[in-house]
Amino acid sequence: DAGITQSPRHKVTETGTPVTLRCHQTENHRYMYWYRQDPGHGLRLIHYSYGVKDTDKGEVSDGYSVSRSKTEDFLLTLESATSSQTSVYFCAISPGGGGANVLTFGAGSRLTVL
Amino acid sequence: AQKVTQAQTEISVVEKEDVTLDCVYETRDTTYYLFWYKQPPSGELVFLIRRNSFDEQNEISGRYSWNFQKSTSSFNFTITASQVVDSAVYFCALSEAPSGGSNYKLTFGKGTLLTVNP
Repeated sequence: DAGITQSPRHKVTETGTPVTLRCHQTENHRYMYWYRQDPGHGLRLIHYSYGVKDTDKGEVSDGYSVSRSKTEDFLLTLESATSSQTSVYFCAISPGGGGANVLTFGAGSRLTVL
Repeated sequence: AQKVTQAQTEISVVEKEDVTLDCVYETRDTTYYLFWYKQPPSGELVFLIRRNSFDEQNEISGRYSWNFQKSTSSFNFTITASQVVDSAVYFCALSEAPSGGSNYKLTFGKGTLLTVNP
């Protein structure tokens, strides 16, 4: 996962608590993405960012917010975690937003909400 | 309707067998891109190939080959002489720009778990 670091890699939390996952990149890529992976669903886009302070929703954005105050960091926040948000979360980066751009993924963050 | 359908949830083969992973996509765009990613048991996602909608040439890379057919909206992946190290979940994905915008989004299929037994 050269250039992308996700933290924490594992987290167990309780329903109703806030959780923030961090994605840090050293590639200076403009685009950053958060996906979640669940059995039987593949990977689904939560939110993405196309620049500092520029973000947009994906297909499963309810219950999640994001922030990007600098190029290298993209934060995913669960304001009040629910058991349905138990998942593996992947951050990805790409140099541009065109369809030919290849997304490079981080190692994933496994979140368990009890 | 799913944009990317991988009908095979799980496939099990014996080493050295050939195996084909199916991928059917749906889009109204004329410009789009198709991808395959591999997720080995260690969990990381590894890019394998990208194809654009204007290039239907088949591609071969070692034991891997891809067959792209716009007429059937399919982008199938074949592994020849499979090996135990090929055991992984394989994802097909479609990149398109909703409503003709410039920010393409990558939509994944549900994945196919390939197990290659020795």
